[in-house]
Amino acid sequence: DVKVTQSSRYLVKRTGEKVFLECVQDMDHENMFWYRQDPGLGLRLIYFSYDVKMKEKGDIPEGYSVSREKKERFSLILESASTNQTSMYLCASKKSTGTVETQYFGPGTRLLVL
Amino acid sequence: GNSVTQMEGPVTLSEEAFLTINCTYTATGYPSLFWYVQYPGEGLQLLLKATKADDKGSNKGFEATYRKETTSFHLEKGSVQVSDSAVYFCALSDSGNTPLVFGKGTRLSVIA
Repeated sequence: DVKVTQSSRYLVKRTGEKVFLECVQDMDHENMFWYRQDPGLGLRLIYFSYDVKMKEKGDIPEGYSVSREKKERFSLILESASTNQTSMYLCASKKSTGTVETQYFGPGTRLLVL
Repeated sequence: GNSVTQMEGPVTLSEEAFLTINCTYTATGYPSLFWYVQYPGEGLQLLLKATKADDKGSNKGFEATYRKETTSFHLEKGSVQVSDSAVYFCALSDSGNTPLVFGKGTRLSVIA
């Protein structure tokens, strides 16, 4: 079974802090994604990565950056956390083939910025 | 660009009722279509998928048929259970490397 793990289930941070959210997958997937989930807005894509050291902006990258130094790990960084970044953050991964593959999700990190 | 529109919730049903959650899409080309489910406190998990027109995806009593003529992928279940209470997301992807595009989700509550 594919496993996608996220470093924390719940996180409380203060405004202005630098926040790291870690995601690890164990199935050698090339593609990894970060979404945020908010009531009434569904899932919105922040950043994604096709391979190590590669990154692409999603729909809402402002205020975020990412790092992919190893294939299995994709980190989301909030450089200076703000209250409007309070949200549920979901990581996902999928294999890269010539066809559309299933995306597998982690359990999510619920972040509260005070 | 690609987009997914699904019926707004919340939807509240009694146990054993029939469920339909509507989903329509806009895409260039021929996307693959997915339904994901999110149970309380958890991440999303794949419920079913269909990769070409007229395909029917099915799992756990849920079904959805890929209708190219109406650009739809409606989710149905003949008899819902309390354990089906969750948020359901319709999604599409039009090529191997592109991220999924999601609808806003529909919250289903099933009462005994």
